[in-house]
Amino acid sequence: DADVTQTPRNRITKTGKRIMLECSQTKGHDRMYWYRQDPGLGLQLIYYSFDVKDINKGEISDGYSVSRQAQAKFSLSLESAIPNQTALYFCATSDSTRTAHGELFFGEGSRLTVL
Amino acid sequence: GDSVTQMEGPVTLSEEAFLTINCTYTATGYPSLFWYVQYPGEGLQLLLKATKADDKGSNKGFEATYRKETTSFHLEKGSVQVSDSAVYFCALSDPGGAQKLVFGQGTRLTINP
Repeated sequence: DADVTQTPRNRITKTGKRIMLECSQTKGHDRMYWYRQDPGLGLQLIYYSFDVKDINKGEISDGYSVSRQAQAKFSLSLESAIPNQTALYFCATSDSTRTAHGELFFGEGSRLTVL
Repeated sequence: GDSVTQMEGPVTLSEEAFLTINCTYTATGYPSLFWYVQYPGEGLQLLLKATKADDKGSNKGFEATYRKETTSFHLEKGSVQVSDSAVYFCALSDPGGAQKLVFGQGTRLTINP
């Protein structure tokens, strides 16, 4: 089983619908991240959480919200999806020591299409 | 703010060719620099890193040297294989800040047999 698991892996939805992407990890890391990947733009940070009570906005948080339900779970929500949120979404984890050295561990991604 | 710029892709090479993917950065302070690789259908994984000027990171035959004077961290490999086909991302992390990674736009590499 993957250490960082994202569900669903693929989702097609309609404009205005609420969508939740879930991430769970078995690595025991305290830090979790949500990134968005668009072709030609690399990865952009949406939200990050350094522990259950510490959640921070990234560079493109508008239109998104998150919930850190437990150390191992970090969910990303789109309250009212719009077509320009069509993208590949990645969850990543790290611990305090590894983050200082830049090593993030990524899930396999959730491809979201908003029609 | 901090940023990373990579050479435009896609890059297509023949097997055993020499590879260079350029990466330059803009940052305040003294960032750590990284190359991540994304194989088809997978998430990103760390390929190599360098944490201070003149450090050389290496892994799987790939190398990159942290050049502070030119703010660069170019990825090189002497002889590429078909299995190296992937998307490569340059990234930086400022250890003095919030320790978030800033990624370049990625370079798609295809190696033909």
